[in-house]
Amino acid sequence: AQSVTQPDIHITVSEGASLELRCNYSYGATPYLFWYVQSPGQGLQLLLKYFSGDTLVQGIKGFEAEFKRSQSSFNLRKPSVHWSDAAEYFCAVGNLNDYKLSFGAGTTVTVRA
Amino acid sequence: EADIYQTPRYLVIGTGKKITLECSQTMGHDKMYWYQQDPGMELHLIHYSYGVNSTEKGDLSSESTVSRIRTEHFPLTLESARPSHTSQYLCASSVQGDGYTFGSGTRLTVV
Repeated sequence: AQSVTQPDIHITVSEGASLELRCNYSYGATPYLFWYVQSPGQGLQLLLKYFSGDTLVQGIKGFEAEFKRSQSSFNLRKPSVHWSDAAEYFCAVGNLNDYKLSFGAGTTVTVRA
Repeated sequence: EADIYQTPRYLVIGTGKKITLECSQTMGHDKMYWYQQDPGMELHLIHYSYGVNSTEKGDLSSESTVSRIRTEHFPLTLESARPSHTSQYLCASSVQGDGYTFGSGTRLTVV
């Protein structure tokens, strides 16, 4: 079975500061990994994905994530946060067999001025 | 801009009513999914479909049913709504080897 843990329920960061959101996954084979963002009242938008190859993945809105197989992690980072980055962020893991995604519980990011 | 549409966005309905949540996509994706989302919780897969006339139950047991008569349409039906069905329902679609595209969701409240 596959699963995702996002250890941080809520993170508050100052505008302009760096941001890192943690994601740990459980899956026996090579996973597909994703980060999504959800603004209030909206659906989820794909930020970036990892299938294979370079373990540092670039996404939209200036986000990047690094896949570390030895740590079963796929942490999301942004060097300088903007007020518009305030949202909920979800990490997800999938597989090649059935392509069903399992999501973490999400991390809510608050940006203070 | 997402090409997957969910209606209604918000629905408040009385206990015992039958409801259908609509989901349509214009991308020609074979795979479609319904997730249930509650605050502070993981998204839970309740139904999925890999093509026309193909539907499967997801990991979370649900009293809802789905149908897939056309590629672009994947409605979810509750025959008799109860307060325990109050939640946000998210529809998504995908192609193999890519991420999901999500709709904006339907927030259902059963009173």
